Amino acid sequence: EIVLTQSPATLSLSLGERVTLSCRASQNIGNYLGWYQQKPGQAPRLLIYDVSKRAAGVPPRFTGSGSGTDFSLTIDSLEPEDFAIYFCQRRAGWPPMCSFGQGTRLEI
Amino acid sequence: QLQLQESGSGLVRPSQTLSLTCLVSGDSMNSGGFSWNWLRQAPGQGLEWIGCVYHSGRAYYNPSLERRATISVDTSTHSFSLNLTSMTAADTALYFCAKSTGSFFFASWGQGSLVSVSA
Repeated sequence: EIVLTQSPATLSLSLGERVTLSCRASQNIGNYLGWYQQKPGQAPRLLIYDVSKRAAGVPPRFTGSGSGTDFSLTIDSLEPEDFAIYFCQRRAGWPPMCSFGQGTRLEI
Repeated sequence: QLQLQESGSGLVRPSQTLSLTCLVSGDSMNSGGFSWNWLRQAPGQGLEWIGCVYHSGRAYYNPSLERRATISVDTSTHSFSLNLTSMTAADTALYFCAKSTGSFFFASWGQGSLVSVSA
């Protein structure tokens, strides 16, 4: 089973800072990785898919990168609405299957 | 605009079966290449994919839940459903329905349905 490990578990940051979140896979997963943002009491919101493609309506300050086993989500110049939990997700090819990392909490 | 809405039992007795339905509006469920999914999130925890179903009725499951989960689709009522048997306290979670993109990421979600397992 492929495991996604996110680090760190929690980050304390200030408005306007730049942050990079990490997601590491226990095996090579190619480019099959996405990122979600989740705020309290809400469903997750897809930010990035296929490593670096922004979902509809996602601001350009969110950038995904990486390949193989090491992936990153960078947020340039943190806005108040960016303080949330971020999950990475990998997908298998076929049959469909996916799993998630345990999340990184961004706190102000 | 696509909307998904979960409904079903909020309280389930141990060993009983959970039944949830996701009503889909604003989209045709007959579009090829997209799947209709169930996921869950235990309190304070991460996300777990339960499984998915395509408009053809073909379903796929997380191996960890495959023996207990059944997902079905009814395009005539614009809905898809989850049955999860032999419920235990470990199944207490917020259950989400979601539509996948063509590359199996989840761009559209329901608001979630809280399910508690208790006698």
